[in-house]
Amino acid sequence: DTAVSQTPKYLVTQMGNDKSIKCEQNLGHDTMYWYKQDSKKFLKIMFSYNNKELIINETVPNRFSPKSPDKAHLNLHINSLELGDSAVYFCASSPRQISATNEKLFFGSGTQLSVL
Amino acid sequence: DQQVKQNSPSLSVQEGRISILNCDYTNSMFDYFLWYKKYPAEGPTFLISISSIKDKNEDGRFTVFLNKSAKHLSLHIVPSQPGDSAVYFCAALRKASGTYKYIFGTGTRLKVLA
Repeated sequence: DTAVSQTPKYLVTQMGNDKSIKCEQNLGHDTMYWYKQDSKKFLKIMFSYNNKELIINETVPNRFSPKSPDKAHLNLHINSLELGDSAVYFCASSPRQISATNEKLFFGSGTQLSVL
Repeated sequence: DQQVKQNSPSLSVQEGRISILNCDYTNSMFDYFLWYKKYPAEGPTFLISISSIKDKNEDGRFTVFLNKSAKHLSLHIVPSQPGDSAVYFCAALRKASGTYKYIFGTGTRLKVLA
């Protein structure tokens, strides 16, 4: 039973389209995240939600809109897709907000987004 | 602004020998350092961590060493096994605006040769 699952695994789409990536965790965690791994392999935080409340919102274009209907789900909607949005998007969760004594992240297997 | 650097994109080691993966950082305010392991088509999984107040942490075949004066940490795998072949990400925890955030390196691909 997959702990953090995200769909779809692969997403190929045209520039200008709108697409969504879904994430669900069955670990009972309070906090969920979206990370982006770009072509240079940097893995960077985009958003974080704690109990459905947005707590981290990095400098990300407002074409990206996360939505957390409940603490087990965090979806990512992307409007007007651009070539530069091509990347691997990872969902992750942690039991509580990350702190110096609670540091582990649990990742999904990633969504490879290709914008043509 | 690459605060966590893994300068070796790849490393090959013979089975049974020691694998040493290196990581350098620039921010002396990091509180915690972690290593994650990633297999193809999977997400990263937590491997081992170390607090900034320690200089060594060991878990089975895996040991992480922290040299604060050099702003350097390393992951030692002894003995290396073919199943250890994966990408290893170094990461640091930093508190900013009241929230802890991860800063990841770009990864080192380890290949353990049978």
